[in-house]
Amino acid sequence: AQKVTQAQTEISVVEKEDVTLDCVYETRDTTYYLFWYKQPPSGELVFLIRRNSFDEQNEISGRYSWNFQKSTSSFNFTITASQVVDSAVYFCALSEPDRDDKIIFGKGTRLHILP
Amino acid sequence: EAQVTQNPRYLITVTGKKLTVTCSQNMNHEYMSWYRQDPGLGLRQIYYSMNVEVTDKGDVPEGYKVSRKEKRNFPLILESPSPNQTSLYFCASSSTSGGLNNEQFFGPGTRLTVL
Repeated sequence: AQKVTQAQTEISVVEKEDVTLDCVYETRDTTYYLFWYKQPPSGELVFLIRRNSFDEQNEISGRYSWNFQKSTSSFNFTITASQVVDSAVYFCALSEPDRDDKIIFGKGTRLHILP
Repeated sequence: EAQVTQNPRYLITVTGKKLTVTCSQNMNHEYMSWYRQDPGLGLRQIYYSMNVEVTDKGDVPEGYKVSRKEKRNFPLILESPSPNQTSLYFCASSSTSGGLNNEQFFGPGTRLTVL
C-alpha cells in the first residue's frame, strides 16, 4: 500500500544553518511520482518539486536540494543556509498512476527557522 | 491569472445542516481533488476526479459527496455535517497532459467549523 512517512514532526534551527527534512515512502509499483509542497504560515500550499521514479538524479534549485534514493525509498529535502522565510510546514507526497489516481501526503514537518 | 478558487473561505454551521463548498479552476485542468487538513494528520484526500463525470473516493470519503458536471467546477457536498468534519479543506487541480501527476495547484482553503 502507499505510505509516506515524515518522521520529523517539528524541527527548529538557527538561521543560516543547513537543515534536512526526511521523507520515506512505501510503494509496490515501479512507476510513481514524489512531490514536495510548502505551506507557509499564511496557509496556502506551494508546489516545490516533482520527481518520477525513473529519474534518480538529485536536484538543486537555489538553496533547495533534493536527494532521491530508490535503494532506501527516500526523497529528502535539504535547505542550505536557511532563512526565516523558510519557516513553514513541508509535505512530501506520493502517487502511483498505474494503480489508481490517489495522492498520499505525509503528515508534514513543521520547520522553525530562528533568527 | 491562473488560479483555483474556493468559497466560502470560512464557514461555521451546525450539525445536520447541508452545505456545499464550491471549487473552480480556470486552467482547463482535467484532474481535481479535495483534501482535508487536520493537526497531526497532514493532508488526506477525500475525493478526486479525473475528468467530467468521473469521480473516485480518496482515503476519507465518508460523509462527503462530490460532482463533476463541468470541467472547471468540483463542489464538495456535506449532506449532514458532523463535528468530526470540522477541518481545513483544500481543493486542488492539475493537468494530466504528458501523463498523470503533474504539480497540483491548490485553492486558498476553506475553514469549516461544525457545532
